Amino acid sequence: DAKTTQPPSMDCAEGRAANLPCNHSTISGNEYVYWYRQIHSQGPQYIIHGLKNNETNEMASLIITEDRKSSTLILPHATLRDTAVYYCIVRVVGTASKLTFGTGTRLQVTL
Amino acid sequence: GAGVSQTPSNKVTEKGKYVELRCDPISGHTALYWYRQSLGQGPEFLIYFQGTGAADDSGLPNDRFFAVRPEGSVSTLKIQRTERGDSAVYLCASSPEQGSTEAFFGQGTRLTVV
Repeated sequence: DAKTTQPPSMDCAEGRAANLPCNHSTISGNEYVYWYRQIHSQGPQYIIHGLKNNETNEMASLIITEDRKSSTLILPHATLRDTAVYYCIVRVVGTASKLTFGTGTRLQVTL
Repeated sequence: GAGVSQTPSNKVTEKGKYVELRCDPISGHTALYWYRQSLGQGPEFLIYFQGTGAADDSGLPNDRFFAVRPEGSVSTLKIQRTERGDSAVYLCASSPEQGSTEAFFGQGTRLTVV
């Protein structure tokens, strides 16, 4: 699986949009971009995934650049409950491939 | 609850002892994964089951680690001759089937070897 690069930490004010970047310059054509998050003392939680089109669900939006070498996870109105470590992962779907986690971005949402 | 359940939530054991960690996946999920997470690090893959068989055990660090899933549901991770370096949170995840887009994680078992 391709490696990803994320900033180690970010801050965001409550109610504002949180934009979390991820670089995956060696991504292959059959690899999807996944985002998971891990709230303190809990297991990771799936957020969203995409191949090349932008995706949106009830939790977040995923913007993937046209060359697919980077992406941004957007939490449109961050709350204190969004404080967590966010992991960007690239993975081939349709196989039994494991998730390869990096060290992620620690997002701190503040009042 | 309908989530992935792991027991115990915490386990303290002495160096050299044998431990078993249990994972109850979501009912009907055929894919099951074990991960290990050290402090400040992301989860690290250990082993993957599809049904009863271990489809990928490439992440097991050495032969002291072993996992089983005899009936295709509950899985047990077994660690022999524990070492202080085995201290970590052990996470289990399940998916409805091979290649599913989403994996559902349990809360983990925190293992401390003293």
